[in-house]
Amino acid sequence: QFHLLQSGSEVKRPGASVKVSCKVSGYSLSELPMHWVRQTPGKGLEWVGGFDRVQGDRRHAQKLQGKITMTEDTSTDTAYLDLRSLTSEDTAVYYCAIPRGGSFPIWGQGTLVTVSS
Amino acid sequence: QSALTQPASVSGSPGQSITISCTGTNSDVGSSTYVAWYQQHPGKAPKLIIYEVTNRPSGVSDRFSGSKSGNTASLTISGLQPEDEAQYFCSSYSTTNAPYVFGSGTTVTVL
Repeated sequence: QFHLLQSGSEVKRPGASVKVSCKVSGYSLSELPMHWVRQTPGKGLEWVGGFDRVQGDRRHAQKLQGKITMTEDTSTDTAYLDLRSLTSEDTAVYYCAIPRGGSFPIWGQGTLVTVSS
Repeated sequence: QSALTQPASVSGSPGQSITISCTGTNSDVGSSTYVAWYQQHPGKAPKLIIYEVTNRPSGVSDRFSGSKSGNTASLTISGLQPEDEAQYFCSSYSTTNAPYVFGSGTTVTVL
């Protein structure tokens, strides 16, 4: 069994950028399809994006086009989610998660990103 | 607005059975074998409790069961216990732009 450890909470001003990290322990990130899911306050879950290693491409939610970048540092087994031009609508808990068989059995502990002036 | 529709809340007394519905479309629940359910306690990450419509991961109580009919999936909790009080989310693989869609979440209260 492997684990995902995320970076700590962030508070940002509108228009700023934030970078959330997710470190894999017990496995090699290069062999995992890392995805990101967010949960807005009091609301449901929303798929943000992810890396499909079989297809070899990164996909993200259409509404986040031009706003997010997903990167990886395989030397440290750490994945990153960059969000820019933040607005209050981006206030959420961001989770990294590993899909398997159409579901997500492995989740990070979550990173709260608060966008406030 | 979430892609899949769930009731906002469901309640039951200890020992009772409750069922949570999850309604989607022909592009997700209706055409997918990849329907899942998650349990989330406050301040915690979601925990997978049902995958591929009816399967339970190792370690998940057999009091949790899943089913699907048409565009609606269901989660049944039998023998309701106080520790089942949590929020429950459904998800499905989707053929639209987003491959994974989630429900709006249902708060289960044990009376």
